[in-house]
Amino acid sequence: DAKTTQPPSMDCAEGRAANLPCNHSTISGNEYVYWYRQIHSQGPQYIIHGLKNNETNEMASLIITEDRKSSTLILPHATLRDTAVYYCIVRMNAGGTSYGKLTFGQGTILTVHP
Amino acid sequence: KAGVTQTPRYLIKTRGQQVTLSCSPISGHRSVSWYQQTPGQGLQFLFEYFSETQRNKGNFPGRFSGRQFSNSRSEMNVSTLELGDSALYLCASSRTGVDTGELFFGEGSRLTVL
Repeated sequence: DAKTTQPPSMDCAEGRAANLPCNHSTISGNEYVYWYRQIHSQGPQYIIHGLKNNETNEMASLIITEDRKSSTLILPHATLRDTAVYYCIVRMNAGGTSYGKLTFGQGTILTVHP
Repeated sequence: KAGVTQTPRYLIKTRGQQVTLSCSPISGHRSVSWYQQTPGQGLQFLFEYFSETQRNKGNFPGRFSGRQFSNSRSEMNVSTLELGDSALYLCASSRTGVDTGELFFGEGSRLTVL
């Protein structure tokens, strides 16, 4: 799986958009970008994933650059409950052999403040 | 519907003992994965089971083992406990046998080895 690089920490004001960047310059053509988050003392929570098109769901939006070497997770209106560690993960999807395996890095600690 | 349930939530053991942790996946989910989380190493994949068969395994010693039952419930066992085994052990389930990378995590079992 390709390696990802994320800033160790970020701050965001409540109500504002939180934009979390991720670099994955060695991503290959069949690898997806996944985002998970882990709120303190809980298990990780799936947020969103994508291959090359931008994706949006009820939690967030994922913007992937055209060359796919980086992406940004956007939380449009951050709340205090969005304070968590956010993990960007790159992996192959169906057809690979990574069954159940996610390779977590150190992630970005996002702190949303009032 | 109920999420992934892990028991026990907290436990304390001494070096040399063995421990068994249990995981009940979301109803209908047939794949169960296990992860270890420590402050030093972060989240690391242990193994994954589907239809009672181990399909993938991380880089952990043989003291770490698991199994899955016909009802998809899973257990993991750590024998001859060491201090370094103190960690949060997380279980995750996914919908089908297709490797989508979308995992649903439980809240974990926090093991302390004294």
